[in-house]
Amino acid sequence: QAGLTQPPSVSKDLRQTATLTCTGNSNNVGNQGAAWLQQHQGHPPKLLSNRNNDRPSGISERLSASRSGNTASLTITGLQPEDEADYYCSAWDTSLNGWVFGGGTKLTVL
Amino acid sequence: EVQVVESGGGLAQPGGSLRLSCAASGFTFSDYWMSWVRQTPGKGLEWVATIKGDGSGKFYVDSVKGRFAISRDNAQNSLYLQMNSLRADDTAVYYCAGGDLDYWGQGTLVTVSS
Repeated sequence: QAGLTQPPSVSKDLRQTATLTCTGNSNNVGNQGAAWLQQHQGHPPKLLSNRNNDRPSGISERLSASRSGNTASLTITGLQPEDEADYYCSAWDTSLNGWVFGGGTKLTVL
Repeated sequence: EVQVVESGGGLAQPGGSLRLSCAASGFTFSDYWMSWVRQTPGKGLEWVATIKGDGSGKFYVDSVKGRFAISRDNAQNSLYLQMNSLRADDTAVYYCAGGDLDYWGQGTLVTVSS
């Protein structure tokens, strides 16, 4: 089943801004919105932003999510070493009746 | 505090069966759709199955249809995944996830090998 498209890797300097992208179609991101998950090595995924672009309690204000058409974005400002992780987008697909995920973006903070 | 705890993983032979369980607390379980998501070591996330809050609707990825069955017991705040006719490519860490993937457990490892 087709998934969402994310760049495999992004590298940015400490304290800079990173914008991660996620492209789907009108059956998923376009009409359902996308959620963003962070996963550190050896740990389970953690929700950073839900499909309404809201941050759960405890998630840093340095993170913000948005959507334009079929593409969702996650922007992280003032990059810190702890932001180095894998980031996944996900969306409910109304055609497949299931969750679809992006392949993940590995964010490296230099 | 929200807690989601999976159990039941382990080693199974090809063609064998396992039953995964997920115990949830800290949120109104029956209000939430619940899902199983798996991850092959070193790879990305793959959705496996989802069940509606009242259990009236169940959805599966094509590769597990007819082999896996998702169920829930709202009185026990528990989610289950019955896995039959297991194959080597079912080997993965299986996560229980609540709602719109709001809540995640630590995962349980399923290894299918002879």
